[in-house]
Amino acid sequence: GQQLNQSPQSMFIQEGEDVSMNCTSSSIFNTWLWYKQDPGEGPVLLIALYKAGELTSNGRLTAQFGITRKDSFLNISASIPSDVGIYFCAGHKWTGNQFYFGTGTSLTVIP
Amino acid sequence: SQTIHQWPATLVQPVGSPLSLECTVEGTSNPNLYWYRQAAGRGLQLLFYSVGIGQISSEVPQNLSASRPQDRQFILSSKKLLLSDSGFYLCAWSVTGFGNTIYFGEGSWLTVV
Repeated sequence: GQQLNQSPQSMFIQEGEDVSMNCTSSSIFNTWLWYKQDPGEGPVLLIALYKAGELTSNGRLTAQFGITRKDSFLNISASIPSDVGIYFCAGHKWTGNQFYFGTGTSLTVIP
Repeated sequence: SQTIHQWPATLVQPVGSPLSLECTVEGTSNPNLYWYRQAAGRGLQLLFYSVGIGQISSEVPQNLSASRPQDRQFILSSKKLLLSDSGFYLCAWSVTGFGNTIYFGEGSWLTVV
């Protein structure tokens, strides 16, 4: 199925640094979602965005639904070792009522 | 609150043997149910999608099948496993029109030997 363009593919950062990742698509989505996946486990929902321009925070995480409805970004402030994992974006379209997923950003935090 | 549970968490099966992965959702009714496979390259591949009991849509032709015998139960099966069926399988649920959010189970690792 269709994949979203997620970047970067991987990041290696020092503990305490801020992180930014984004997802883009050539299509319009009505919902953007961000997940974190630890090794051997299912993705866990971090933030859900339902309106263009919406900016939502969850602790040190902040995500925004792009105005064009074709993109979204996720920021993590003051990273800590437990932020390590793979972060996925997902979008939902009413057409076909399907979800589409990015290929993930692997985050490594160096203590 | 809603929960989703899938089992078994880990499975090692010989080539040619059958498969049954089960998934149940609690705390919601008439959910959309999904089976995904996640390759090592991290991409999520949609295998099956169900909007109701007995209604299954297959996204890719393959050696697997799915069934939905009850509203909140989704089963992934195979009559004869292939080596290429190895992977990480994820069950998921969503409710149409309610926030359009999809939630995942814990995942099942299948190794075909």
